[in-house]
Amino acid sequence: AQSVTQPDIHITVSEGASLELRCNYSYGATPYLFWYVQSPGQGLQLLLKYFSGDTLVQGIKGFEAEFKRSQSSFNLRKPSVHWSDAAEYFCAVGFYNNNDMRFGAGTRLTVKP
Amino acid sequence: DTEVTQTPKHLVMGMTNKKSLKCEQHMGHRAMYWYKQKAKKPPELMFVYSYEKLSINESVPSRFSPECPNSSLLNLHLHALQPEDSALYLCASSQESGQGVPYEQYFGPGTRLTVT
Repeated sequence: AQSVTQPDIHITVSEGASLELRCNYSYGATPYLFWYVQSPGQGLQLLLKYFSGDTLVQGIKGFEAEFKRSQSSFNLRKPSVHWSDAAEYFCAVGFYNNNDMRFGAGTRLTVKP
Repeated sequence: DTEVTQTPKHLVMGMTNKKSLKCEQHMGHRAMYWYKQKAKKPPELMFVYSYEKLSINESVPSRFSPECPNSSLLNLHLHALQPEDSALYLCASSQESGQGVPYEQYFGPGTRLTVT
């Protein structure tokens, strides 16, 4: 079955440090991958998406993600984390010819001052 | 305008009440979604409407009844809910993906529902 896995439930980083959040997918065909962020009590905001082409994708708020087919991964990165980045991050997979979308379990990011 | 609005923000209802959640978007999107999200969990898809027709129902209990009166509005009618239905209910919209690649979904802020 098509799915995404986020191995890290909770990550803590210091403000100004670099960040990498992991996402692994299981999908037979070309995956359509998304990263969303959710602040407490809020809806989800799209950070970036990958459909095809360049495997390094730039998003909003200084985030980027790299698609690696050989590792079935789509990890999210940011070179320098700000306190306002503290939130829940969800990786998601979409499907061709279908409106369905499946989310990973999420990774909660805490930023230390 | 990339906003999805949801009303009310908070709702407390008893198990015998009938209430409705409302969602609105003006982005011209023809797919609209309802998700349920429990604390510290990812959103779970409940329903998808495509061109105002119900296209996906993820085996949701009949005490939840969706309605799409027009292409901009989506309602979720609630009746005889259980305390375990307490959650954040998120609405989303997107361009219709039925003919190819999926489009990103735009989410509203959600309705925090408490069933007493």
